[in-house]
Amino acid sequence: NAGVMQNPRHLVRRRGQEARLRCSPMKGHSHVYWYRQLPEEGLKFMVYLQKENIIDESGMPKERFSAEFPKEGPSILRIQQVVRGDSAAYFCASSPGATQETQYFGPGTRLLVL
Amino acid sequence: AQTVTQSQPEMSVQEAETVTLSCTYDTSESDYYLFWYKQPPSRQMILVIRQEAYKQQNATENRFSVNFQKAAKSFSLKISDSQLGDAAMYFCAYRSGTQGGSEKLVFGKGTKLTVNP
Repeated sequence: NAGVMQNPRHLVRRRGQEARLRCSPMKGHSHVYWYRQLPEEGLKFMVYLQKENIIDESGMPKERFSAEFPKEGPSILRIQQVVRGDSAAYFCASSPGATQETQYFGPGTRLLVL
Repeated sequence: AQTVTQSQPEMSVQEAETVTLSCTYDTSESDYYLFWYKQPPSRQMILVIRQEAYKQQNATENRFSVNFQKAAKSFSLKISDSQLGDAAMYFCAYRSGTQGGSEKLVFGKGTKLTVNP
């Protein structure tokens, strides 16, 4: 059973470009979570999605960031007009259902903004 | 809002010895889950152990065990017979277990564990 897949593993963007981060949850998992880890910090929650629905986006910056989890295909975290402060590791986690279920993490995408 | 505090930025232990990592949390909820995740240099987040707040018995996974003190809101991780591969950042995390509560994990800032040969 493959784990959570994230791609790309490393992404370099220049200021003003767009970054698209992809996450394929574990087989049988319908809940996806995105977290951001700044250097020397713990992970901070960004958004929680189920298929075709955003359930909790309380951790998402109000501008430039968006997320989706379509009926088919991976979950996408999109960052428009990136700035240097967006440089971080972005982790995706998945779980089979709500509450009581452990979240399993992908390997992360390291975004570097030049 | 819930908070998680790890008061030890760094710890070190000799190979084969035992080390305890501290974690405290703040919440007004009675039903919740606590986790320890390990992040080795590869930066992959790996679940080490999980504890349900309603369970009085401390969770154990091989060489890893926790000391869960609900009244004190303390959740420490004990690693026995430390191995070189245990060297990593360790993060304590909290999640609500309340029906309709937040699904997000709240993380502490982490403790960097060094294992000396």
